[in-house]
Amino acid sequence: GAVVSQHPSRVICKSGTSVKIECRSLDFQATTMFWYRQFPKKSLMLMATSNEGSKATYEQGVEKDKFLINHASLTLSTLTVTSAHPEDSSFYICSAREAGGSIQYFGAGTRLSVL
Amino acid sequence: AQTVTQSQPEMSVQEAETVTLSCTYDTSESDYYLFWYKQPPSRQMILVIRQEAYKQQNATENRFSVNFQKAAKSFSLKISDSQLGDAAMYFCAYRSASNFGNEKLTFGTGTRLTIIP
Repeated sequence: GAVVSQHPSRVICKSGTSVKIECRSLDFQATTMFWYRQFPKKSLMLMATSNEGSKATYEQGVEKDKFLINHASLTLSTLTVTSAHPEDSSFYICSAREAGGSIQYFGAGTRLSVL
Repeated sequence: AQTVTQSQPEMSVQEAETVTLSCTYDTSESDYYLFWYKQPPSRQMILVIRQEAYKQQNATENRFSVNFQKAAKSFSLKISDSQLGDAAMYFCAYRSASNFGNEKLTFGTGTRLTIIP
């Protein structure tokens, strides 16, 4: 199946700093990528949807200035958590879908810990 | 808006036995996709099986099969010959097929499956 690579797998940062998470589709072109947040023992919560070359669409309640999403190429999307605070600590997961496909393929996730 | 309900927060099954995980959904659409994803302790989301709503035949993937009841809006997952590696959180998910673009997945709350050796 298709492979989605997500880096880093774990990041620890100080409060007030920014963190960038990368999501790459390795063997297919991802016209659409999705970013999720997952709290412990909970389901995935969609944060935003990004299409290559256009602005991301954010879900209600997600601060777009805090969670910057860039989808500059057909194989790469990035999520930047700006001025991170302890309440941003969570597990972030990306997924990617190729043009015309119905399946989302997921990255392995990034555990963010903000001190 | 679509909703997905998984009424079993936890299930357990003896190794080599069969277990069925339940999922119901609510939608007014006629064309959609349904998925079961597995999230093991590594937290990597893995696609288990997919069903297109327009297909009457139930999808199967080796030991995994679904019972898709469109009128009842039910989509259960049957795991046969359960193995230790099947232990994971299982999520049922819905996706509209009506407009191709940014279709998002709507997930259920998950069922944690434990395999008893």
